[in-house]
Amino acid sequence: AQSVTQPDIHITVSEGASLELRCNYSYGATPYLFWYVQSPGQGLQLLLKYFSGDTLVQGIKGFEAEFKRSQSSFNLRKPSVHWSDAAEYFCAGLTGANNLFFGTGTRLTVIP
Amino acid sequence: EAGVAQSPRYKIIEKRQSVAFWCNPISGHATLYWYQQILGQGPKLLIQFQNNGVVDDSQLPKDRFSAERLKGVDSTLKIQPAKLEDSAVYLCASSLWGQGIADTQYFGPGTRLTVL
Repeated sequence: AQSVTQPDIHITVSEGASLELRCNYSYGATPYLFWYVQSPGQGLQLLLKYFSGDTLVQGIKGFEAEFKRSQSSFNLRKPSVHWSDAAEYFCAGLTGANNLFFGTGTRLTVIP
Repeated sequence: EAGVAQSPRYKIIEKRQSVAFWCNPISGHATLYWYQQILGQGPKLLIQFQNNGVVDDSQLPKDRFSAERLKGVDSTLKIQPAKLEDSAVYLCASSLWGQGIADTQYFGPGTRLTVL
């Protein structure tokens, strides 16, 4: 069955430090992968998506993600975290019926 | 461009009561989705509409949950009767076509339901 796994429930980083959030996928065919962010009281917002081509994907708010087939990973990165990046981050995949399935999320805390 | 609107934002009910949530998608979006997000989990798709027809409701607990999208615009999700395990955030999303990776889903702020 298709799935995405986010092994880190909670991550804390200092403002200005680099960030990497992990996502591992299990897919039968070509994976379509996404990263969403959910701020408190807000809906989910798409950061970036991957479906083919360049394995390094640029997104909004300075985020990027790298697709690594050999490691079955699609990790999200940001070189310098801002306090406003504190939120819940979800990795997601797309089924053959074009429906999203989500990981359990990683909560990011940013300390001054 | 206005986003996806949902109401109410919060609802507290007793178990066995009924509750309804409302969603107004982005204008012109043909596809509408309802997700359930239990605390500590990612959202789970409950039902997908294409215009006013149901595309996928395989994960909707049909003995107590129902949803409709009359006229292919607004949608209502109902729970009757509610159980404790229904406590969650109910998210509505819409997309332009509902097909293909290029079709981004836009999410509303959600309705937080607490069942006591």
